[in-house]
Amino acid sequence: GESVGLHLPTLSVQEGDSAVIKCTYSDSASNYFPWYKQELGKRPQLIIDIRSNVGEKKDQRIAVTLNKTAKHFSLHITETQPEDSAVYFCAALTEYALNFGKGTSLLVTP
Amino acid sequence: SAVISQKPSRDICQRGTSLTIQCQVDSQVTMMFWYRQQPGQSLTLIATANQGSEATYESGFVIDKFPISRPNLTFSTLTVSNMSPEDSSIYLCSAPQGWLSGDTQYFGPGTRLTVL
Repeated sequence: GESVGLHLPTLSVQEGDSAVIKCTYSDSASNYFPWYKQELGKRPQLIIDIRSNVGEKKDQRIAVTLNKTAKHFSLHITETQPEDSAVYFCAALTEYALNFGKGTSLLVTP
Repeated sequence: SAVISQKPSRDICQRGTSLTIQCQVDSQVTMMFWYRQQPGQSLTLIATANQGSEATYESGFVIDKFPISRPNLTFSTLTVSNMSPEDSSIYLCSAPQGWLSGDTQYFGPGTRLTVL
């Protein structure tokens, strides 16, 4: 089955720095890769996603890159702000269902 | 984006009892998904609820423990049966934005369940 792994369980950065969170996947048939942000006590919120026919997608301070050959995709956050502090989950779509990674806790310190 | 609501938002239950969680989507969708998120953990897919057919369960989850209904294209229920403290968790439903299963998925606010 699909295996989605995060490389870093926690990440601490200073405000204004960039943060990168990387995920790997195992099923080469996966074609859709979303990133969700979950603040404490709240539902996961989609922040960006990418499909397998593109290599990069940007939305203001957030970007996602996809390397299909290496089967990994990364979330990039530039100019981090304290409100970016949250748990970030990657996921990969296999057939019809999303498989989630374990989550990375991002802490942005002022 | 799809608007998804869940009821109840939280509950405290006694072991051995059952709780039914409701999920309502503001538009018709083919599939609805039920996830469990244990404290400090990621989201684990319990099952996929299809309208007009039985739910499809993931490994480790069975219909007797988590019966699911899908009476129409905007609504689903998940029942947590014969509860034990190990069932304490957040239960979330999700649905794709559009008609296709590969469309962006949005989540309901979750139901926080505590079993004593």
